[in-house]
Amino acid sequence: SYEVIQPPSVSVSPGQTASITCSGDYLDNRYVCWYQQRPGQSPLLVIYQHYKRPSGIPERFSGSNSGDTATLTISGTQATDEADYYCQAWDSSTGVVFGGGTKLTVL
Amino acid sequence: EVQLLESGGGLVQPGGSLRLSCTASGFMFSNYAMSWVRQAPGKGLEWVSYITGSGGRTYYADSVKGRFTISRDNFKNRLSLQMNSLRAEDTAVYYCAKDRNDYGDSRGLDVWGQGTTVTVSS
Repeated sequence: SYEVIQPPSVSVSPGQTASITCSGDYLDNRYVCWYQQRPGQSPLLVIYQHYKRPSGIPERFSGSNSGDTATLTISGTQATDEADYYCQAWDSSTGVVFGGGTKLTVL
Repeated sequence: EVQLLESGGGLVQPGGSLRLSCTASGFMFSNYAMSWVRQAPGKGLEWVSYITGSGGRTYYADSVKGRFTISRDNFKNRLSLQMNSLRAEDTAVYYCAKDRNDYGDSRGLDVWGQGTTVTVSS
């Protein structure tokens, strides 16, 4: 079955840029999206179709996808961005595929 | 306001059954695919099942295939998940989520419910 892999954790200083990667075979041929989940809350879609932002998502969130790796970039990271982030893709055999999640720490 | 409200969670013994429901409001329910996603305590998101807007196509995670059944009633704006032969590893918060479209391949889940908790234990 298809899998996507994320690093378990990423740390960033306030105001700096955080990058979270998501790796999978031929990932650039699939629609990738990203979710933010704060403790005790439901997930929130922050990026869809590689780089598009839903209404209400700050411009500091951006996405890219090249080859086997998709990247979520958070520019000017704020303390409120501290959360778990999940990438998601679709595979015609497997269905919806989530990465294992990355805990972003802002310190 | 676009909203999803899950119900039906609870405590069930191993081998038992439970039916989850998700009531949608604020959007044309039949125009969108829907998914169930679960999250075990302290763990990441795990997709469970997906259904197209018409209900004509369904997909399941290998971990629940043959035990869970997803369905929808577009007249009542309701999504359901029938869970049979429950195991301890099915213990999780179960979310229903709206897909951004109905293309038969999920390109993003843009609305999530608050979740309902299922605990499988004797």
